[in-house]
Amino acid sequence: AQSVTQLGSHVSVSEGALVLLRCNYSSSVPPYLFWYVQYPNQGLQLLLKYTSAATLVKGINGFEAEFKKSETSFHLTKPSAHMSDAAEYFCAVSAFSGGYNKLIFGAGTRLAVHP
Amino acid sequence: KAGVTQTPRYLIKTRGQQVTLSCSPISGHRSVSWYQQTPGQGLQFLFEYFSETQRNKGNFPGRFSGRQFSNSRSEMNVSTLELGDSALYLCASSLSVQDGEQYFGPGTRLTVT
Repeated sequence: AQSVTQLGSHVSVSEGALVLLRCNYSSSVPPYLFWYVQYPNQGLQLLLKYTSAATLVKGINGFEAEFKKSETSFHLTKPSAHMSDAAEYFCAVSAFSGGYNKLIFGAGTRLAVHP
Repeated sequence: KAGVTQTPRYLIKTRGQQVTLSCSPISGHRSVSWYQQTPGQGLQFLFEYFSETQRNKGNFPGRFSGRQFSNSRSEMNVSTLELGDSALYLCASSLSVQDGEQYFGPGTRLTVT
């Protein structure tokens, strides 16, 4: 069975500071890993995905994540936070179960960005 | 290309009633998945449909059901509504079951009173 743990339900950073959102996964088979962002009253938007190619994955809006198998981690980073980055972020894992579209989500991390 | 659309966006129902939610995937996408989002349980997978067949199912009671039509549009139905069914229901579409890259709609906010 797969699972995802996001460390820190709330993270607060200053504008221009480094953003680091932590995600650890558990999977008995090679997983696909994803980061999604959700703005208030909206659905989820895909930021980036890892599908067993390069371990450093670049996404939209300047975000990137590194897959570390030895640490079972897939942390999301952005060098310089913008006010517009304030949102809730979800890490998700899927493993083959007739396909890869059954996502298991973490509990989410709400990012606040202060001027 | 238009994104995933869900109707209605907001819905208020009474306990014991049933409800049907609709999802139109991105043109060309054949896989549709449904998720329930609540403050207490977070995001939970309900089911996935591909070519009108349910391929995966989450851990929800039989009151939750779905179907997919030949044009890939999907509906989900919840019968005998309970207060705990109040949630944001999200639909996501994907090109194929192998893709793993899903695009989400804005959701339907269901309130059960």
